[in-house]
Amino acid sequence: SQQGEEDPQALSIQEGENATMNCSYKTSINNLQWYRQNSGRGLVHLILIRSNEREKHSGRLRVTLDTSKKSSSLLITASRAADTASYFCATVLMNTGFQKLVFGTGTRLLVSP
Amino acid sequence: DTGVSQDPRHKITKRGQNVTFRCDPISEHNRLYWYRQTLGQGPEFLTYFQNEAQLEKSRLLSDRFSAERPKGSFSTLEIQRTEQGDSAMYLCASRQGQAPDIQYFGAGTRLSVL
Repeated sequence: SQQGEEDPQALSIQEGENATMNCSYKTSINNLQWYRQNSGRGLVHLILIRSNEREKHSGRLRVTLDTSKKSSSLLITASRAADTASYFCATVLMNTGFQKLVFGTGTRLLVSP
Repeated sequence: DTGVSQDPRHKITKRGQNVTFRCDPISEHNRLYWYRQTLGQGPEFLTYFQNEAQLEKSRLLSDRFSAERPKGSFSTLEIQRTEQGDSAMYLCASRQGQAPDIQYFGAGTRLSVL
């Protein structure tokens, strides 16, 4: 079963605009990760934020984590057409030694030139 | 290219046939995972190997499914007596076993059961 939900399910923006996606999860986590998936392909890791961190940056990506609300957000600034993909949050639950990823339902992002 | 290879990329089979998929992880990674992704959904965990030992299996992995990782290198996932509900993307990921806890995914095998 999916750990959480992402919002919105789909997002359509113009190049240069910012894109914000939200992820909610259900149980206590060790860390939360964001992945990108181009149509019909594998997943590419974008960024990891640990449960004791509140914000993290990587290039044009900014991730926040609010463990009290069990939610995270991914901000992509100055979007490009190449950012068109599905974005998934994935959590690693507390006390699971083998670190399985529990994915959300994903946000489909379309960036138009 | 993450360095994780999966073969074949696509497989079309008839209901009732057996299929086998292969995953070659990044060579120094001793942890290996299989996930299944159906259309419009996020991937769901199937099974986990540490070296050659299969340490965790999801309830999704019915007894028609079997996975192996001989010698702790490549892994195979076999589905016997395929059903239409098995149609999905099967993804393999590997991890080094040390922080950061990043899994590297292959491009997946898309299975279509007719």
